[in-house]
Formats: sequence, C-alpha cells, structure tokens
Amino acid sequence: AQKVTQAQTEISVVEKEDVTLDCVYETRDTTYYLFWYKQPPSGELVFLIRRNSFDEQNEISGRYSWNFQKSTSSFNFTITASQVVDSAVYFCALKVETGKLIFGQGTTLQVKP
Amino acid sequence: GAGVSQTPSNKVTEKGKYVELRCDPISGHTALYWYRQSLGQGPEFLIYFQGTGAADDSGLPNDRFFAVRPEGSVSTLKIQRTERGDSAVYLCASSLISGGSNTGELFFGEGSRLTVL
Repeated sequence: AQKVTQAQTEISVVEKEDVTLDCVYETRDTTYYLFWYKQPPSGELVFLIRRNSFDEQNEISGRYSWNFQKSTSSFNFTITASQVVDSAVYFCALKVETGKLIFGQGTTLQVKP
Repeated sequence: GAGVSQTPSNKVTEKGKYVELRCDPISGHTALYWYRQSLGQGPEFLIYFQGTGAADDSGLPNDRFFAVRPEGSVSTLKIQRTERGDSAVYLCASSLISGGSNTGELFFGEGSRLTVL
C-alpha cells in the first residue's frame, strides 16, 4: 500500500513555542519523494520542501526544519519559535515512482498570540 | 499567466447536470494533476497526465468522471450526472518533468469550488 499518515489532526500552541508535525509514510518503491505543503486560510497549497528517498540529511530553512528517517518511515516537520502567521493546515505528501503524489489528511496548526 | 489558472472559481449546479472544470497549467509544465478536496480532508488524487495521455487515472471515483488534455496543455475535468457528494474543491496542479523523471514539486491553482444542490 502507498499511504501517508498524519496522526495529529489539530495542534494548538502559543506564539514562540516550538511545534513538530508528524508524518509517517508507506511505500514499496525504492525511489520516492516526500513533500510538505502549507495551506493557509486562503486555500492555495504552497510548496515548502522536497526530499528524495536517498537523501536522509536533515534540512533547516529559517525557522523550519525537517527530519527524515527511513528506518521509521517518517518525515517530521518542526517550526521553531512559532508565529501567528504559521497558522494553517500542513500536508505531508509522498510521490511514488509512477509520478503520483499522495497526500496525508493534514494537520491544522493554530498559533495563538 | 505565471501560475496555474483554474476556471470557474465557483460553480453551483443542480443534481444531475453536467459540469466542466478547466485548468491552464504553467507554461512548459508537461505533468498535470487533478485532485479533489473535501472540507477538512487532504487532497484526494484523481488523475495525472504526462503530456496528452493519462499516466494514472486510478483516482477517478467512477465513470461519471472524465478528464482530457488534448494538446498537452489545458485540461478539462468533466463530471456527468452530478451528485451532491461531488461537492468539493477541485484542485489542478502542474509540474516540470526534468530528464524524463517527474520529481519536481507540484504548483497548485486556487481551485474550482463545485456545489451540487
């Protein structure tokens, strides 16, 4: 089966707290790509990051960081010092060898001032 | 335009009617995707085109749904005999295929909100 699971439906934090969004995936493909997208209230999906299955290095971009672990099939996303503008729905997605991109159910993040 | 364009942005129709939703991808993007997103859910894959042909249509829910991309650019999603359960936001996305491999990120349009009364 090819699947993405985001177990956290909703998370609420206070501004400046760190928050981690979990993502677990399933695939039998040896080559695949993992993505995170942000969907703000306006509705348009915004690309955040792409990782391929052969690159397990963690990545940091400003307040955002991603932890990819093949051993646990996880690709978690951490926001450091969260801000109100980070409030959105965040989707983890898996692109398999055929090119199809499969999304998780999303995690709604609410950052309160 | 610079981004993926979808029309109409909103469509209200009656049960049983036929609907067409249009997607104009980013120029030069050969891969085009259709997704459906219901309230509170993640985007649900419908169909994916590479060029003019459907590379994967495994997500189309039934034979009332059909999509075409005759010239490898604009695509139309067609829904026959609409049902109330078809109400959702229909998202289109495009991506670049580089070196024969579809590894790029998808760029999404703002979606077409379909309401079936």
